Amino acid sequence: GAGVSQSPSNKVTEKGKDVELRCDPISGHTALYWYRQRLGQGLEFLIYFQGNSAPDKSGLPSDRFSAERTGESVSTLTIQRTQQEDSAVYLCASSLNPGRRTEAFFGQGTRLTVV
Amino acid sequence: GENVEQHPSTLSVQEGDSAVIKCTYSDSASNYFPWYKQELGKRPQLIIDIRSNVGEKKDQRIAVTLNKTAKHFSLHITETQPEDSAVYFCAVHQGGKLIFGQGTELSVKP
Repeated sequence: GAGVSQSPSNKVTEKGKDVELRCDPISGHTALYWYRQRLGQGLEFLIYFQGNSAPDKSGLPSDRFSAERTGESVSTLTIQRTQQEDSAVYLCASSLNPGRRTEAFFGQGTRLTVV
Repeated sequence: GENVEQHPSTLSVQEGDSAVIKCTYSDSASNYFPWYKQELGKRPQLIIDIRSNVGEKKDQRIAVTLNKTAKHFSLHITETQPEDSAVYFCAVHQGGKLIFGQGTELSVKP
């Protein structure tokens, strides 16, 4: 596809269940970011992947959150034992070459609702 | 880590007036400052950016200014139109990571 693709678009889960969110970046983009956006709030940084370097996990809010990326392709964000405060839109973005300060393109997001 | 403060949180202007949104940052090593626009229910999209070796950049009705000494940068929208209504986010690029401000909800009244 031409843009960043995220799946699922919407996810409703019961409190305590695990969820896995997927992000397909634009082909060739070496950088990938995950953000959390609560209703009416800003973009909260979660994690950043750059090529084969160790990811910057400094934004992950707790050890229930983890993310993986295989090379420069798909990334998955996993939330274990979901809580109601995890309800938010999770946005993924990719960038061609952050070293040259290039534009980050966002996916449409996954709206997570924990009931 | 990088801290980005954005003001105001909400801004209401009459159509045709100008709008200014300001951001401050803490890390002097930051070197790239993009602005994103997010319309209701949509994904954020880049509208303009500025790099640390430039003080000002314009693109039609939009301009961004950067003061590296004071560590602040601003978005200026002139001749506002109703379609400019959206949430605007500033961001700071530091070491590859993009950190966003809290957002400004701009409302342009016809």
